[in-house]
Amino acid sequence: DTAVSQTPKYLVTQMGNDKSIKCEQNLGHDTMYWYKQDSKKFLKIMFSYNNKELIINETVPNRFSPKSPDKAHLNLHINSLELGDSAVYFCASSQRGEQYFGPGTRLTVT
Amino acid sequence: AQSVAQPEDQVNVAEGNPLTVKCTYSVSGNPYLFWYVQYPNRGLQFLLKYITGDNLVKGSYGFEAEFNKSQTSFHLKKPSALVSDSALYFCAVRDTGSNTGKLIFGQGTTLQVKP
Repeated sequence: DTAVSQTPKYLVTQMGNDKSIKCEQNLGHDTMYWYKQDSKKFLKIMFSYNNKELIINETVPNRFSPKSPDKAHLNLHINSLELGDSAVYFCASSQRGEQYFGPGTRLTVT
Repeated sequence: AQSVAQPEDQVNVAEGNPLTVKCTYSVSGNPYLFWYVQYPNRGLQFLLKYITGDNLVKGSYGFEAEFNKSQTSFHLKKPSALVSDSALYFCAVRDTGSNTGKLIFGQGTTLQVKP
């Protein structure tokens, strides 16, 4: 059973396009996160939702918009994609302690 | 500002030898500390955590970590390394300045175990 799943696993698109990444967790956790891992493997948090409410919104371009239809899902929509958006995006969930990560979505913008 | 530092980009060790991956932290208040491992093309996997209690914490795959408050360190250790332990390791601390559960990650250390 997959605890935190993301789709798609790979995403190749051109500059200027709009794309979405979906995340679902079946752990019953209240809190979900989006992270960006750059080419140097550095991990940086982008957003967090707790029970569908946005609680963390780091310094991220407003082209990035998270949406949480329910507490088991946290999707990431990106408008007007740029070359610098190429990275691996990880979704994670937690209850009150450690976070559990999805397998990642490798986004390549050409 | 709260932060985590992993001073080594890469650690090389021979199979069967003990390994240590270093981590130091800076937080206000009591630290909640974590270690994660990332295998190639995979997500991060939780290894162990320190919240309170015994300074030596045991985790998955035979790993353990020692919390040292005076040195503000939380080094990851294993008595006998395996080739399959080769991966990228992240130390993280929970942000005590907010109630969001936000984790602050170190820059990662690549562990290379050679046969």
